[in-house]
Amino acid sequence: DADVTQTPRNRITKTGKRIMLECSQTKGHDRMYWYRQDPGLGLRLIYYSFDVKDINKGEISDGYSVSRQAQAKFSLSLESAIPNQTALYFCATSDQGPQPQHFGDGTRLSIL
Amino acid sequence: SQELEQSPQSLIVQEGKNLTINCTSSKTLYGLYWYKQKYGEGLIFLMMLQKGGEEKSHEKITAKLDEKKQQSSLHITASQPSHAGIYLCGADDTGTASKLTFGTGTRLQVTL
Repeated sequence: DADVTQTPRNRITKTGKRIMLECSQTKGHDRMYWYRQDPGLGLRLIYYSFDVKDINKGEISDGYSVSRQAQAKFSLSLESAIPNQTALYFCATSDQGPQPQHFGDGTRLSIL
Repeated sequence: SQELEQSPQSLIVQEGKNLTINCTSSKTLYGLYWYKQKYGEGLIFLMMLQKGGEEKSHEKITAKLDEKKQQSSLHITASQPSHAGIYLCGADDTGTASKLTFGTGTRLQVTL
């Protein structure tokens, strides 16, 4: 089984709908991250969390919210989806300190 | 804010040829992380560099951080079709790796 699991893998939905993307990890890491990837723009950080009680905004948090339900679970919500939120979304985890981030396989989200 | 520029943006090489990808930062790097992404999939961690002049190798891939810690290069020797994908560099400009800034990636194709 994957260490960092994202669900769903693919989602197509309509403008205005509420969407939740989920991420769970078995690596025991405290730090979790949500990114979006767009062609030509690379990975951009949406939100990150260093423990269950810690939530921080990233570079592009507008239109998104997150919940850290447990050390192993970090979900991303789009309260009212819009077409320019169509992207590939990644969850990542890392240990404390200068350690590499480990990524899930991504969720491909299309908003019509 | 940290800016990372990767060059080239895309690369097509014949199998067996060597190639180099560069990642240049606008700030001093405390850590530089190289990842590989298969098209539409998650990122796979390759190597982490922290010290100026540091060089690491894994199989036929070598990464180096220059002495001034503002540029890293990734060199692939005798490229194979399995090396195809998108290579991304991620930079830590705080020393804690609390957040990484990613380059826009280099797309590598290896022809037979």
